[in-house]
Amino acid sequence: DAGVIQSPRHEVTEMGQEVTLRCKPISGHDYLFWYRQTMMRGLELLIYFNNNVPIDDSGMPEDRFSAKMPNASFSTLKIQPSEPRDSAVYFCASSSGATSGRTGELFFGEGSRLTVL
Amino acid sequence: AQKVTQAQTEISVVEKEDVTLDCVYETRDTTYYLFWYKQPPSGELVFLIRRNSFDEQNEISGRYSWNFQKSTSSFNFTITASQVVDSAVYFCALLSGSARQLTFGSGTQLTVLP
Repeated sequence: DAGVIQSPRHEVTEMGQEVTLRCKPISGHDYLFWYRQTMMRGLELLIYFNNNVPIDDSGMPEDRFSAKMPNASFSTLKIQPSEPRDSAVYFCASSSGATSGRTGELFFGEGSRLTVL
Repeated sequence: AQKVTQAQTEISVVEKEDVTLDCVYETRDTTYYLFWYKQPPSGELVFLIRRNSFDEQNEISGRYSWNFQKSTSSFNFTITASQVVDSAVYFCALLSGSARQLTFGSGTQLTVLP
């Protein structure tokens, strides 16, 4: 079975440019999470969706960040305009609410490493 | 508020040694779940175990074992006879009754030397 698929794996861009990260969750999973990992702050939850609806976006750092989930098999995290402090690894994760949506067994993608110069 | 503390930032052992990774958590909820995730050098996060707050029975899975003690709010992870492939960052995480997302600790970098 395919796991969570993220793209791109690596992105290098210049300050001010728009960045779009993509995620395909595991088929049948109804929860989707976006995390950011940095050395300074560790793993931070940015936003999560349930059945394509954003439930909690309190972790989104500022208005430059936005996330969408137009359907059950696709989500995007967009940063516009990007800044050097946005450099991090961004993880997408999914889970099934029926068995583990509240019990934390998340399945993570391999991450998208973003570098903003 | 939920908090997870992994006081050990880095641990280095020689292959075949046993190693214990510490995890201390804080929550006011009586219902909660504790987790361990592994992040190998390739970068992905791999789920290892989930334990709910009503089950203090220790668990063993091969060379891995977990010791959950509510009295000390700890959920420690032991690797027996460590191997080089165990080298990774290990994260402890908490999901408490009132929250809907995981709170991760800062991680412990384990290096197993040949």
